[in-house]
Amino acid sequence: ETGVTQSPTHLIKTRGQQVTLRCSSQSGHNTVSWYQQALGQGPQFIFQYYREEENGRGNFPPRFSGLQFPNYSSELNVNALELDDSALYLCAGSREYTDIQYFGAGTRLSVL
Amino acid sequence: SQQGEEDPQALSIQEGENATMNCSYKTSINNLQWYRQNSGRGLVHLILIRSNEREKHSGRLRVTLDTSKKSSSLLITASRAADTASYFCATDAVGGTASKLTFGTGTRLQVTL
Repeated sequence: ETGVTQSPTHLIKTRGQQVTLRCSSQSGHNTVSWYQQALGQGPQFIFQYYREEENGRGNFPPRFSGLQFPNYSSELNVNALELDDSALYLCAGSREYTDIQYFGAGTRLSVL
Repeated sequence: SQQGEEDPQALSIQEGENATMNCSYKTSINNLQWYRQNSGRGLVHLILIRSNEREKHSGRLRVTLDTSKKSSSLLITASRAADTASYFCATDAVGGTASKLTFGTGTRLQVTL
């Protein structure tokens, strides 16, 4: 049990739509990171939030955006969905100045 | 983009045998971590080795790190059917307040009875 929960578990959207994925982490996880995992690949870093501010971003376009809230929850928003956005989206919570990340079970997004 | 490659891509062994997976990476690192993923779900942290360490043990796991070759290996001894999963190495190359992991491509391990 990692103490990180994600919702929904599965989601189906059509191309061009917008989607919001949610993550709730345990108390003390003031850093949240989001990853995209395409089928058969390793996770790729999207961005990280620390104390509600973006703290680093991977090679993803601006239509991927996020929010972090004071209650250790966060959101990943994706606008103008493309077919290639179909993937497992993982969020991970961690404590400040620690190296281990605790992952949720992920949200599987299918874009048709 | 992926940090590096894992080898082999897939590994099938019998229960009780040892499983060895290798990971290569491209840039200088702060630490290297191994994670396990069951059936395309969330990742579970297994073990972390820092750049100034060469070997680390945790239960049936043994990790080695060779920074001169930019490579690491994960050994699982006396494997069990429950070890069946995908295993990923992840490198942390950035300091600051928290790690930002770059994952390899993974090794799919199948342990049969």
